[in-house]
Amino acid sequence: AQRVTQPEKLLSVFKGAPVELKCNYSYSGSPELFWYVQYSRQRLQLLLRHISRESIKGFTADLNKGETSFHLKKPFAQEEDSAMYYCALSGRTGANNLFFGTGTRLTVIP
Amino acid sequence: EAGVAQSPRYKIIEKRQSVAFWCNPISGHATLYWYQQILGQGPKLLIQFQNNGVVDDSQLPKDRFSAERLKGVDSTLKIQPAKLEDSAVYLCASSPIRRQGAYEQYFGPGTRLTVT
Repeated sequence: AQRVTQPEKLLSVFKGAPVELKCNYSYSGSPELFWYVQYSRQRLQLLLRHISRESIKGFTADLNKGETSFHLKKPFAQEEDSAMYYCALSGRTGANNLFFGTGTRLTVIP
Repeated sequence: EAGVAQSPRYKIIEKRQSVAFWCNPISGHATLYWYQQILGQGPKLLIQFQNNGVVDDSQLPKDRFSAERLKGVDSTLKIQPAKLEDSAVYLCASSPIRRQGAYEQYFGPGTRLTVT
């Protein structure tokens, strides 16, 4: 069975401080991992995916298969980063369905 | 491009009543998803369509929930009869087809259902 765990429901950091949102997964095959974000009064949207290996809005995430983790990191948090962040997993090739974690609400304190 | 459209945005009903939600995906997107998001949880897939066929409905409570996607475009999700535990945000998403790997899903604004 697949599982995505985000251990922190709430995370507060000061502006300019580093931020790390944790995500651990359980899946027997080779999953694709994503981070989706929902800003206040906006739709859920893709932030980044592990296969792209890119930095979006200063955020990066590395897939660690040994630790089954996909933590989201940013070296210097900005106030506009305050949002709800969801880690998600896609399992079966071609199915494209997503399995989401429970989310972490990030608050960046000015 | 226009985003995924959903209506209504809010709905309040009494338990045992029926309710229907509508979704219009992004033009050209063959795959459509309905998710249920209960307060404090992440979205949970209810049903996935590819064109007008069902790909996955393993998490759909079929005794009370039904969904259709006629002509492979718009979709409706119905609950009949509603229970208190159906109170949630119902999200519709769409994506293009990809042979390998997962495509980005584009989400609608959601419909917030309150069952009293």
